[in-house]
Amino acid sequence: LAKTTQPISMDSYEGQEVNITCSHNNIATNDYITWYQQFPSQGPRFIIQGYKTKVTNEVASLFIPADRKSSTLSLPRVSLSDTAVYYCLVGDMATGRRALTFGSGTRLQVQP
Amino acid sequence: GAVVSQHPSWVICKSGTSVKIECRSLDFQATTMFWYRQFPKQSLMLMATSNEGSKATYEQGVEKDKFLINHASLTLSTLTVTSAHPEDSSFYICSSWTGPNPYEQYFGPGTRLTVT
Repeated sequence: LAKTTQPISMDSYEGQEVNITCSHNNIATNDYITWYQQFPSQGPRFIIQGYKTKVTNEVASLFIPADRKSSTLSLPRVSLSDTAVYYCLVGDMATGRRALTFGSGTRLQVQP
Repeated sequence: GAVVSQHPSWVICKSGTSVKIECRSLDFQATTMFWYRQFPKQSLMLMATSNEGSKATYEQGVEKDKFLINHASLTLSTLTVTSAHPEDSSFYICSSWTGPNPYEQYFGPGTRLTVT
């Protein structure tokens, strides 16, 4: 599994765009990048996944540069309810049924 | 998406007693479930992999006689913390997946265990 590095914490204000970058320098050719969100006292929730370029869904956008050594999760116009820990995971989709390895994540605090 | 439930959502027990936590897949069959533990301000740590109809696989450092896992049906896995001690107080979370994407897993809401 590729090792990932994320900022420990970030602060933002309501209405701002938040970009959380994850570094994964030793990402392998078959690895995908997945982001999870965990609200306080809840289980994590899958939010987005990508391989290269840009992926967008109703929750977030994921930007992946050509070298794939990093990725950026973008949350548009955050609200207080976006306060959570965001985890970046990198791994091969062909791993089959296996548990996920979570790093330390990025704790996002949104202020009013 | 698929739904995983846990019961109870929180429990307080006295030191030395046992506590059972249930993890259910509500709308899919889960041949494999994963149990994680999360201490305050820390990340999730895998404890064990639960397979329906067979013995669970425990991670290094997790005592299998203390954390009993039973996966007797395709929709239910249970984790029993035996002879609980205050250091077992934690947030216990289960997960499973419906395939084919191994990175799109469904997590339960978690169980907060406090041992007094």
